[in-house]
Amino acid sequence: GQNIDQPTEMTATEGAIVQINCTYQTSGFNGLFWYQQHAGEAPTFLSYNVLDGLEEKGRFSSFLSRSKGYSYLLLKELQMKDSASYLCAALDSNYQLIWGAGTKLIIKP
Amino acid sequence: GAVVSQHPSWVICKSGTSVKIECRSLDFQATTMFWYRQFPKQSLMLMATSNEGSKATYEQGVEKDKFLINHASLTLSTLTVTSAHPEDSSFYICSASVLAGGPDTQYFGPGTRLTVL
Repeated sequence: GQNIDQPTEMTATEGAIVQINCTYQTSGFNGLFWYQQHAGEAPTFLSYNVLDGLEEKGRFSSFLSRSKGYSYLLLKELQMKDSASYLCAALDSNYQLIWGAGTKLIIKP
Repeated sequence: GAVVSQHPSWVICKSGTSVKIECRSLDFQATTMFWYRQFPKQSLMLMATSNEGSKATYEQGVEKDKFLINHASLTLSTLTVTSAHPEDSSFYICSASVLAGGPDTQYFGPGTRLTVL
């Protein structure tokens, strides 16, 4: 079956760095997305990786290893506004998005 | 760019009534639109995928006669929850993408919170 695993909840301190991991098992693979979702709001796009390696976008970076079925989202210089759920989603061979349950990130002062 | 709107933002209705939710891509033509449902503290659940001018493809377990989807143009899709019941209360989110069948980003609308009394 198809499956996405990511931690349910993480806590970090303002100004610190946090890494949110995601492992996936899908029928075929056409890339991996990370979305941010604040409580009561719709998800917003953060990143898309299809090749191995690290993609950096400001304070956020996303890494992919296709051979390991593994990705992570790295958030630097954490701000209180980064408190949100982070959703990992893999695109399978039919270009269907398989969603993880999301990681709730709590930022403490 | 890539803005998607939804209307209404929230709706409260009586059990047995029907509710229509609109999803519009404001600055691009969306070949494909997706409808999701999200219950509190749970991830997104895809309900159906719709392509302009054709019938929607529903996910297993989603009643197509209860959740009517119309994708009449490249910028508008509607979801009608027919004969709504309290268990249909949820956060309904649409998303739109430009390319059908490609590794394209989905752009999400702001969501519609439905409460059925």
